[in-house]
Amino acid sequence: AQSVAQPEDQVNVAEGNPLTVKCTYSVSGNPYLFWYVQYPNRGLQFLLKYITGDNLVKGSYGFEAEFNKSQTSFHLKKPSALVSDSALYFCAVRDPFSGGYNKLIFGAGTRLAVHP
Amino acid sequence: EAGVTQFPSHSVIEKGQTVTLRCDPISGHDNLYWYRRVMGKEIKFLLHFVKESKQDESGMPNNRFLAERTGGTYSTLKVQPAELEDSGVYFCASSETISGANVLTFGAGSRLTVL
Repeated sequence: AQSVAQPEDQVNVAEGNPLTVKCTYSVSGNPYLFWYVQYPNRGLQFLLKYITGDNLVKGSYGFEAEFNKSQTSFHLKKPSALVSDSALYFCAVRDPFSGGYNKLIFGAGTRLAVHP
Repeated sequence: EAGVTQFPSHSVIEKGQTVTLRCDPISGHDNLYWYRRVMGKEIKFLLHFVKESKQDESGMPNNRFLAERTGGTYSTLKVQPAELEDSGVYFCASSETISGANVLTFGAGSRLTVL
């Protein structure tokens, strides 16, 4: 079955320190991978995506993610965390059997808490 | 441009009642998706419209859920009768084209609480 796993319910990091939010996936074929973020009382906002090409993808707000095919991972990273990065982060992969549409399979989400 | 708008933001109803959620996608976006997040779990796909047609409704839980998109503009999702397990956040998203590489734009969600 196609799936996405986010093994950490919550990640705590001090402001200024690097952060990593983990994501692994299990899909057939070449994955289309996405990260979305949800701030309180807001909708999901797109951060970045990997479709093809360079394994290191840069996105909004200084975030980046590294696609690792052998480990089937797509971890989200940021070199220096800000308190304002505190939010709920979702990893997603396109369902390869969706006929080319954007039907996404999401992970359960990871809550990032950045402490001053 | 205006984003994806969902109404209501929060609805509290009793078991057995009916609730209708509405989604206004970005103007010109033919593709409209409904997703649901229940009790802190994964966000799960419910269904997908292309214009007014249901392209994929494989994620609809049961026949208590009815989605429509008359005229290919806004969409409604009706739950009738609501059960306790229907509680969660219902997200709507839209995209302009069918490409799987495209980004979905999500609304803020409608939180449904069934008592």
